[in-house]
Amino acid sequence: GQQLNQSPQSMFIQEGEDVSMNCTSSSIFNTWLWYKQDPGEGPVLLIALYKAGELTSNGRLTAQFGITRKDSFLNISASIPSDVGIYFCAGQLSGGSQGNLIFGKGTKLSVKP
Amino acid sequence: DGGITQSPKYLFRKEGQNVTLSCEQNLNHDAMYWYRQDPGQGLRLIYYSQIVNDFQKGDIAEGYSVSREKKESFPLTVTSAQKNPTAFYLCASRSAGARGYTFGSGTRLTVV
Repeated sequence: GQQLNQSPQSMFIQEGEDVSMNCTSSSIFNTWLWYKQDPGEGPVLLIALYKAGELTSNGRLTAQFGITRKDSFLNISASIPSDVGIYFCAGQLSGGSQGNLIFGKGTKLSVKP
Repeated sequence: DGGITQSPKYLFRKEGQNVTLSCEQNLNHDAMYWYRQDPGQGLRLIYYSQIVNDFQKGDIAEGYSVSREKKESFPLTVTSAQKNPTAFYLCASRSAGARGYTFGSGTRLTVV
């Protein structure tokens, strides 16, 4: 099945640093979503984006729906230890099969206090 | 509170045995999904169901089976035909018209 290209695969940062990760595809999406998964738990929705160019914030998190509709990024500002986890992007293809989401492979974030 | 419940959290089985993972939701969501997660592999779709009494194969359906007899329930059976069943299994649901999924907290299956 189709997957999104999510990068980086992992990040090791110091507390207080800003973080940026992104997802790209060769296909056009009509929805981009960002999820966070804590160790041993299910993913939780952080931000949903529905229009090209849309920029949305949720606390220290900011995400954007790319103008070309083929990419999205997530920024985390001033990271803290509880930001640790795996971040997944997910997208719904324009005209996709029954609206199923396609997931990236995740970015594993580690934060050093 | 509404939510989606997976049970058990941890499951151990001997090789060659079938095992069924439970997924129940009280969100009145129409669609339900099963994913498998392995380290570094992301989420891979096993089966999904858009309505009761109907389900479709995902990308890695071989060795798995499901049923959808009730809207609230979507159990997954890992059969002995699944060659490498040890993994973290996630169930999700979505209401009609919604774009995002709600996930359960997962079941970690270990086959020894």
